[in-house]
Amino acid sequence: EAGVAQSPRYKIIEKRQSVAFWCNPISGHATLYWYQQILGQGPKLLIQFQNNGVVDDSQLPKDRFSAERLKGVDSTLKIQPAKLEDSAVYLCASSLDRGMNYGYTFGSGTRLTVV
Amino acid sequence: DQQVKQNSPSLSVQEGRISILNCDYTNSMFDYFLWYKKYPAEGPTFLISISSIKDKNEDGRFTVFLNKSAKHLSLHIVPSQPGDSAVYFCAAIIIQGAQKLVFGQGTRLTINP
Repeated sequence: EAGVAQSPRYKIIEKRQSVAFWCNPISGHATLYWYQQILGQGPKLLIQFQNNGVVDDSQLPKDRFSAERLKGVDSTLKIQPAKLEDSAVYLCASSLDRGMNYGYTFGSGTRLTVV
Repeated sequence: DQQVKQNSPSLSVQEGRISILNCDYTNSMFDYFLWYKKYPAEGPTFLISISSIKDKNEDGRFTVFLNKSAKHLSLHIVPSQPGDSAVYFCAAIIIQGAQKLVFGQGTRLTINP
């Protein structure tokens, strides 16, 4: 089974620029998550989708971050405009359903550096 | 508000010995606790979990112990192998509602030959 695909792997942008990340979850996985992992910290949930609906976006900085999941499959996360503190690894994960027997499958992440 | 805490940023253990990684939590409503392992430039991978109604779960060389009264869990790796060198994240989840997985800060485990 193919894993969770993310692109790009690395991105360097200047502050105030825009950036977008893409995620393709495991086929058939209804739930998709975007996490932000700042260096030295654990991953923090930004947004959770169930199919193409948002379940939880309470920790998403909505003034600059946006995310969508078209047709309940692929998802994009956008930052506009970026700030220095947005430098982090952005992880996408998916799960078959919201049951705990499966755990989450994470992608390799996109490392964003804002200079 | 850090609900899941891993107070040791790093741990060094000799190959063949036992590795013990610790995790504390503050929210008594958590239903499951999970451990994830992360290699550099890769996403975290699920390792082992434990229900809040259990006190022990074992899978091969990995055992997780849960002490609810102390709000503490630990991951034991016996025997430790060089391939176990990675960052280990403790995580917890409440099943009802949004089911948000909350992570600790991680512990970098280094296995020395």
